[in-house]
Amino acid sequence: QSALTQPASVSGSPGQSITISCTGTSSDVGGYDSVSWYHQHPGKAPKLMIYDVSNRPSGVSNRFSGSKSGNTASLTISGLQAEDEADYYCSSYTSRSTLVFGGGTKVTVL
Amino acid sequence: QVQLVESGGGVVQPGRSLRLSCAASGFTFSNFPMHWVRQAPGKGLDWVTIISYDGNNKYYADSVKGRFTVSRDNSKNTLYLQMNSLRAEDTALYYCARAPFRMIRGVITIIHHFDLWGQGTLVTVSS
Repeated sequence: QSALTQPASVSGSPGQSITISCTGTSSDVGGYDSVSWYHQHPGKAPKLMIYDVSNRPSGVSNRFSGSKSGNTASLTISGLQAEDEADYYCSSYTSRSTLVFGGGTKVTVL
Repeated sequence: QVQLVESGGGVVQPGRSLRLSCAASGFTFSNFPMHWVRQAPGKGLDWVTIISYDGNNKYYADSVKGRFTVSRDNSKNTLYLQMNSLRAEDTALYYCARAPFRMIRGVITIIHHFDLWGQGTLVTVSS
């Protein structure tokens, strides 16, 4: 199972919006509404930010939103803040009853 | 306190075995499917395996199939990962993670994301 494709890095200034893409195939991202997003600060465990494409868990800021079109899912962070600087990973369920992650995107707040 | 605590990591020679444990507390462990996810040093997340709430269904990444075995003891609220024939590329921080579920017509149906993570246990495969 190949990893989902994410950009290696995305940057933005405080207050701006950024979008991270996550591209898979019809056997994963395109075939199921089971895309989730996680952020991970250095030395910490990942934290769930978005599940089932566009749902936010309780406690996650509404500055984070998710969407999907075809085989590509996206995470948008609005009103970028210094604390948003982290690594971001997407994940999807697959047709083989497995899960697969993206390679990760480093978000830098300029 | 709802938490997952991994243990059992260490340094092991290539070809040897190691068993990881993940102790759950603060929730009804026996209701939840569970995953193992790993992260090589400086690399991204890599899904390893999932086990159903009752242990009857298991799926593995191709990279570990035939070498790793996931199991659980619901009476002890503990998840396990038996790792055999270890390779240098298995060197990673191993996380256990919980999968939420829905009850649909009395059947536990997995929701495919990870809503609770442990802090990880480090496995180093080196001669």
